[in-house]
Amino acid sequence: QQQVKQSPQSLIVQKGGISIINCAYENTAFDYFPWYQQFPGKGPALLIAIRPDVSEKKEGRFTISFNKSAKQFSLHIMDSQPGDSATYFCAAITNQAGTALIFGKGTTLSVSS
Amino acid sequence: DTAVSQTPKYLVTQMGNDKSIKCEQNLGHDTMYWYKQDSKKFLKIMFSYNNKELIINETVPNRFSPKSPDKAHLNLHINSLELGDSAVYFCASSQRDGVQFFGPGTRLTVL
Repeated sequence: QQQVKQSPQSLIVQKGGISIINCAYENTAFDYFPWYQQFPGKGPALLIAIRPDVSEKKEGRFTISFNKSAKQFSLHIMDSQPGDSATYFCAAITNQAGTALIFGKGTTLSVSS
Repeated sequence: DTAVSQTPKYLVTQMGNDKSIKCEQNLGHDTMYWYKQDSKKFLKIMFSYNNKELIINETVPNRFSPKSPDKAHLNLHINSLELGDSAVYFCASSQRDGVQFFGPGTRLTVL
């Protein structure tokens, strides 16, 4: 049973456009929702994260929107750039010590110039 | 300075061999993890250690054995390697706030 569902699997966006990646979760015990960015040959790097007590968090061109009642959250990348081309993973975790991130299956983003 | 480091970065070996991957973090974190990323890029937890104590042991063959000599190190030993073990293995660490930092990964290829 996949606890975090991510879509789309791949995304092609023109330079300057908006990239949107969606995730849905099932476990209401999750209380931290990070997004990770991974470039080829590198480890996942934390991009931005949100906790369920807020509905939106913005850092630069990256925004997380969070809908607790729908158990959904999304990543918006404004003014997408070729350097944003990477694989993006949403994840969720509970606050117990030692618990693991549950990842979505990833979205491969290509930003064309 | 590298926060989470892994060695080696690449590991190519024959089926049936035994190999180890080492991980070190200099962030002062209490918890360390091993994740496996398969050929479709799916990331899945294998093990987690909190203060050298095993917390999570997912459904992983017992050929995989983690060892944490101290809070800063979590090594992964794999016995009798199989073709299906080929993947990228990531070490990660975190403090109690849940933010996890990942290492650069070890690409294991079993021939």
